Amino acid sequence: GESVGLHLPTLSVQEGDNSIINCAYSNSASDYFIWYKQESGKGPQFIIDIRSNMDKRQGQRVTVLLNKTVKHLSLQIAATQPGDSAVYFCAEQVDYKLSFGAGTTVTVRA
Amino acid sequence: DGGITQSPKYLFRKEGQNVTLSCEQNLNHDAMYWYRQDPGQGLRLIYYSQIVNDFQKGDIAEGYSVSREKKESFPLTVTSAQKNPTAFYLCASSPTGVNSPLHFGNGTRLTVT
Repeated sequence: GESVGLHLPTLSVQEGDNSIINCAYSNSASDYFIWYKQESGKGPQFIIDIRSNMDKRQGQRVTVLLNKTVKHLSLQIAATQPGDSAVYFCAEQVDYKLSFGAGTTVTVRA
Repeated sequence: DGGITQSPKYLFRKEGQNVTLSCEQNLNHDAMYWYRQDPGQGLRLIYYSQIVNDFQKGDIAEGYSVSREKKESFPLTVTSAQKNPTAFYLCASSPTGVNSPLHFGNGTRLTVT
């Protein structure tokens, strides 16, 4: 699979490979984090979330990792499929405010 | 089906006119939000409401106004004071607003000429 060490705006991945999308968050007081997927012309869809008292959480084909020491969040997608092509956003929450990162556009190659 | 309805999907206005974007939810959520998205960028928070008859400014509230008279509804008015109103507007709701994900509508694309 492909991995990126720092946040990049685009990621191209071969179908069937694993994808890793990275996100650096800014506020050390953030206590809740969410990954969203957005397809063109639609609203963001919830993928997975994690609270600050955890460092890993798994869902169906997705895993989120949280490193509070370096304020880093990542989303791993296993066996990437064409339907995974979209823009992925991380979001951090403090109190009621949810702030979004710039997004990573994932393109799946057949 | 439960969800968030934003209408219309596309909206066109002349410069200088106020315009109101509709957002309705039937999820019985307490918290509601408005975000703005510009091409190739992330979402920026305009206003949010934790409960009926209460709302707070987000990061880019200037030129916008909201009301929350009913739990189900959170309309956004884009006023003529908003310098660059053309954008994709997204409404969201959340059960409690804290430690629970936001559910988004499919947005309204506003074009002001």
